[in-house]
Amino acid sequence: QQQVKQSPQSLIVQKGGIPIINCAYENTAFDYFPWYQQFPGKGPALLIAIRPDVSEKKEGRFTISFNKSAKQFSLHIMDSQPGDSATYFCAGFTQGAQKLVFGQGTRLTINP
Amino acid sequence: NAGVMQNPRHLVRRRGQEARLRCSPMKGHSHVYWYRQLPEEGLKFMVYLQKENIIDESGMPKERFSAEFPKEGPSILRIQQVVRGDSAAYFCASSRTLNTEAFFGQGTRLTVV
Repeated sequence: QQQVKQSPQSLIVQKGGIPIINCAYENTAFDYFPWYQQFPGKGPALLIAIRPDVSEKKEGRFTISFNKSAKQFSLHIMDSQPGDSATYFCAGFTQGAQKLVFGQGTRLTINP
Repeated sequence: NAGVMQNPRHLVRRRGQEARLRCSPMKGHSHVYWYRQLPEEGLKFMVYLQKENIIDESGMPKERFSAEFPKEGPSILRIQQVVRGDSAAYFCASSRTLNTEAFFGQGTRLTVV
């Protein structure tokens, strides 16, 4: 019940395209859903996050869409750039538990 | 305004040796979390500590692993008698209070030979 399932494992998109990464969760106690961006040899960095009472959140070129009834959420990257090439992780978080449950990660490559 | 500092960045140990991983949280942060990332996998929660207290160690293996966050000094993740399966990247994160954003360090990459 703690799992967060993420897909696809890897994704290649041309520059300017809109990569979409999907996550599904089981634990209805999650009350915060962050996305992290990780470059090789670096730690994860918070990119954008959403709470379940909101269906969409935009920050710059990054958008989270959230479907509470389906227990799914996704990350869209508009006007993708080669510099966006990284591994992206979704996660679920419960305030009471104070720990992030991460998806398996998506390795995104944006070709010039 | 340094971020979360982890050292060493890379650590090589022979099977049976001990590994000590250090984490200095961001200034003003009193909550520390350790996560492990196996190759090609996501991060898995290991332990959550506040100063001098272990709050949640549900992700820690039952044997050989221990963690501490003393009143003074960095948080330490200690792995005794390392085995090849312990090879992974270990990340520390810190937050100022409960339910505020946690910032990650750059990780320690442990290789057991």
